Amino acid sequence: EDKVVQSPLSLVVHEGDTVTLNCSYEVTNFRSLLWYKQEKKAPTFLFMLTSSGIEKKSGRLSSILDKKELFSILNITATQTGDSAVYLCAVEASDYKLSFGAGTTVTVRA
Amino acid sequence: DTGVSQNPRHKITKRGQNVTFRCDPISEHNRLYWYRQTLGQGPEFLTYFQNEAQLEKSRLLSDRFSAERPKGSFSTLEIQRTEQGDSAMYLCASSLNPESMNTEAFFGQGTRLTVV
Repeated sequence: EDKVVQSPLSLVVHEGDTVTLNCSYEVTNFRSLLWYKQEKKAPTFLFMLTSSGIEKKSGRLSSILDKKELFSILNITATQTGDSAVYLCAVEASDYKLSFGAGTTVTVRA
Repeated sequence: DTGVSQNPRHKITKRGQNVTFRCDPISEHNRLYWYRQTLGQGPEFLTYFQNEAQLEKSRLLSDRFSAERPKGSFSTLEIQRTEQGDSAMYLCASSLNPESMNTEAFFGQGTRLTVV
């Protein structure tokens, strides 16, 4: 069965800090890895990664995938209180089923 | 609003009652997913559809759960004889044709079920 493990489970930082979130996975017939941000409601899409070593960037957020070592990281630089959320990692298999990790809860203090 | 729409947003029901939730996906999306999420956990896969065909149902799902997507558009998720352990957020997501370059799934706001 596909497995997604995120670390740390939670962290608390101060505004302006940089955070790095980890996601490791085991999946049969990997297709892509996705990052989502979840505040109080539905997860919102951040990135989809399919190729190793190619960084995807959106503002202060960036992510990269290592398909050899089976992990991805999500970086947030110059954190703001609005970055406080649960960050979810999901892997998509060739049958297009998404399997999620438990998430990392990020709390950014002013 | 052209996003994924779920109804109702909240449902409180007595144990033993049946409940039905509805999901309207983004109009051109032909894949539709149902997930369940409890506090502190990531979304747990329940089932998914390609058009009207149900492709897979989680082995963890009891036979009290059933989902349909009769015309390949909206979907319903029914839970029969609800139990307190069914209390959770039920999330629906949809995505484009898998041959498309952009196949990321977009989520609805969820239906929060409380069984008392």
